[in-house]
Amino acid sequence: QKEVEQDPGPLSVPEGAIVSLNCTYSNSAFQYFMWYRQYSRKGPELLMYTYSSGNKEDGRFTAQVDKSSKYISLFIRDSQPSDSATYLCAMKAQAGTALIFGKGTTLSVSS
Amino acid sequence: EAGVTQFPSHSVIEKGQTVTLRCDPISGHDNLYWYRRVMGKEIKFLLHFVKESKQDESGMPNNRFLAERTGGTYSTLKVQPAELEDSGVYFCASSGQLFNSGNTIYFGEGSWLTVV
Repeated sequence: QKEVEQDPGPLSVPEGAIVSLNCTYSNSAFQYFMWYRQYSRKGPELLMYTYSSGNKEDGRFTAQVDKSSKYISLFIRDSQPSDSATYLCAMKAQAGTALIFGKGTTLSVSS
Repeated sequence: EAGVTQFPSHSVIEKGQTVTLRCDPISGHDNLYWYRRVMGKEIKFLLHFVKESKQDESGMPNNRFLAERTGGTYSTLKVQPAELEDSGVYFCASSGQLFNSGNTIYFGEGSWLTVV
């Protein structure tokens, strides 16, 4: 079993839709959870960072962590064509240790 | 403030040749990481420097890969001799001191390596 599972998609939605992206993980020691956005031929860009369980909101983006279920989510409200990218979940157990990535979900938002 | 910069952005080499990738982290970042993504796979950790010391090199695939960070500034990743399976994109990332902002890791745009 992989440490982090993420459905690669692709996921296609119309502009304005609410998007839900998810990852599951197996290592209960993970405490730090990130979502990265990666545009084609670019490096991953940190989008959201959450420590332990709970919700975090930043504009149209909401990150949720449910450690009891080993499940994390990223919600995008009012999706825009500029949100079209690959979204990568990543997590780690301790500060300074290696990030473990999911495969990424490719999102396409059509206008 | 400049981000993490990597050079070259693209490289095509023949099997058996040597390639050296360079990474300049964000100024003042003690932590420097190398990651790699091969086709169809997830991004995977290679190694972690704290200043000039290798903190964790558990992800290095074999002894054909050599990473250095002289003086705790820029880092190089050398692949010698390159094999076909080394093709992929090599990402460098950096973060500040652990007690301050070490949990936020910033990535460069990657060095895309093709071995033919």
